[in-house]
Amino acid sequence: DGGITQSPKYLFRKEGQNVTLSCEQNLNHDAMYWYRQDPGQGLRLIYYSQIVNDFQKGDIAEGYSVSREKKESFPLTVTSAQKNPTAFYLCASSIGDSNTIYFGEGSWLTVV
Amino acid sequence: AQSVTQPDIHITVSEGASLELRCNYSYGATPYLFWYVQSPGQGLQLLLKYFSGDTLVQGIKGFEAEFKRSQSSFNLRKPSVHWSDAAEYFCAAGGGNKLTFGTGTQLKVEL
Repeated sequence: DGGITQSPKYLFRKEGQNVTLSCEQNLNHDAMYWYRQDPGQGLRLIYYSQIVNDFQKGDIAEGYSVSREKKESFPLTVTSAQKNPTAFYLCASSIGDSNTIYFGEGSWLTVV
Repeated sequence: AQSVTQPDIHITVSEGASLELRCNYSYGATPYLFWYVQSPGQGLQLLLKYFSGDTLVQGIKGFEAEFKRSQSSFNLRKPSVHWSDAAEYFCAAGGGNKLTFGTGTQLKVEL
């Protein structure tokens, strides 16, 4: 089935450690996105990529990094510089950068 | 700046009753408009979208939404709610990297 796969679903991290969240899509979409979701705040854009080997900062990029080496993959690294990383992270994709966005199932990150 | 407002944080309805979730947007021009639904701990599922044309849009799961330009609104409706509709609903405006989300409305369904 076509879709967006995020892994792991649940991840625990110790303070000071970097962690990478995986996102893979087989929809042949050009654009991919990472959002952060906190209770009562809706979704906030972290990074997005419109084509391979190119990506742009979103509204809350500080403390995060991404890469886009393949069209299908857009991993997100939460670095130790992110002061409040505990959240629900959603990966998404779209055919173009102004079209309908489709979401993965999300990954929970908890800092312990 | 673009913004999307969902004035109701929580709504409770009885199963079988009708539902209307409100959404207002502030945008430079008529944006693309979307409604998504999210079950606890899951991703967002697209319910419906409006790009242009007929202002009454039909979606999945029996939902519909009406675009009203004069009121800058895009309210979501369902004639008869089922217990499985309990979830959080997000309105969004724009598209791609310019998509702006509301803060969501949590729907509770009483049996």
